[in-house]
Amino acid sequence: EAGVTQFPSHSVIEKGQTVTLRCDPISGHDNLYWYRRVMGKEIKFLLHFVKESKQDESGMPNNRFLAERTGGTYSTLKVQPAELEDSGVYFCASSQVSLTSGNTIYFGEGSWLTVV
Amino acid sequence: GNSVTQMEGPVTLSEEAFLTINCTYTATGYPSPFWYVQYPGEGLQLLLKATKADDKGSNKGFEATYRKETTSFHLEKGSVQVSDSAVYFCALSDRTGGFKTIFGAGTRLFVKA
Repeated sequence: EAGVTQFPSHSVIEKGQTVTLRCDPISGHDNLYWYRRVMGKEIKFLLHFVKESKQDESGMPNNRFLAERTGGTYSTLKVQPAELEDSGVYFCASSQVSLTSGNTIYFGEGSWLTVV
Repeated sequence: GNSVTQMEGPVTLSEEAFLTINCTYTATGYPSPFWYVQYPGEGLQLLLKATKADDKGSNKGFEATYRKETTSFHLEKGSVQVSDSAVYFCALSDRTGGFKTIFGAGTRLFVKA
């Protein structure tokens, strides 16, 4: 079974440009999450989709970030315009909640973004 | 809100040494703790987890016991290897929080040969 896949794995863009990150969750997983880790700091929650709906977007830093999950399958995270402080690793994760085993989320490899 | 606090790193050990990375948390609902690991140049991988109090999660020689009375989930390994060098993240998922998972700051482990 394929895991969570993310694209691109690495991206270097100039300040002011736009970048779109894509995440394909594990097939059948209703929950999709975006997290971010800036250099050396903790992994911060950005937002959570349940199918195509945004369940919680309390972690989105500002309106330069836009996440979508059309049709409840893959998701995109767009940063426009990018700023230097947006550099970091963007992780996507997915899960399927089980009443007996809770919610184990599975991560992708991450998209490493560098804004110069 | 919920929070996770873990031991600051980096931690440097010699091969075959005993490892402990402390993790404590605060949670208002029904938490389930996890440990994730990130090896150099790779993504996050689930290392182990626990779903109820006094559960012990184990994987690859690592263990952690979910202690509800001390709200802790410390990670241990009896004999570390160079290949265990990575960043370890303690995490918590809370049913009452919509199962959102939050993370500690991560602890970098260096194991010397």
